[in-house]
Amino acid sequence: ETGVTQTPRHLVMGMTNKKSLKCEQHLGHNAMYWYKQSAKKPLELMFVYNFKEQTENNSVPSRFSPECPNSSHLFLHLHTLQPEDSALYLCASSQDRASGSGETQYFGPGTRLLVL
Amino acid sequence: KNQVEQSPQSLIILEGKNCTLQCNYTVSPFSNLRWYKQDTGRGPVSLTIMTFSENTKSNGRYTATLDADTKQSSLHITASQLSDSASYICVVSWKGFSGGYNKLIFGAGTRLAVHP
Repeated sequence: ETGVTQTPRHLVMGMTNKKSLKCEQHLGHNAMYWYKQSAKKPLELMFVYNFKEQTENNSVPSRFSPECPNSSHLFLHLHTLQPEDSALYLCASSQDRASGSGETQYFGPGTRLLVL
Repeated sequence: KNQVEQSPQSLIILEGKNCTLQCNYTVSPFSNLRWYKQDTGRGPVSLTIMTFSENTKSNGRYTATLDADTKQSSLHITASQLSDSASYICVVSWKGFSGGYNKLIFGAGTRLAVHP
């Protein structure tokens, strides 16, 4: 295990539902990330938090709302999603978001989301 | 434009055989290059990391090479095992991001299937 857990592992929701994805890291890291992984496409970085502050939002639609209450926990709140939002959502953490060449990200197992 | 291209998209080999996966990138300036392994239903796990000055790095039966002049990397798997069946993702760290830290550019991955 990588020290990063995600719940739930699978989620099916309708377009009018509201749900939340949870990520927890036990590595003492200060940076956390949300990624979207669609079939045959590169991972897409969605949000970055460093020391609980959001430092990056890659033009993600407002129907995705992140929350980082502390350095160990990260949430992704979902509402009024579209079928094209169906994908694997991965959480990752790293020591911090500082510049340098040694930054390795540790990924959770992901939440497989299906929007009907 | 910063891009990471991987080939082939998918590959099937017999157990015990060797194989080589390719990664070409146009990222500049470049900080480091990583290969990740992603098992089905799991998040990516780092296999190797190479900086600009390194041209080879091994991790057990995995050997990564880097030619920074031609902007090419390869991942060679020796004596493949069934457990090598996974997606292999090439990730290049871009130093030129204006946010004050390196930005990761992901390839779409090569899906490897090892058959008995």
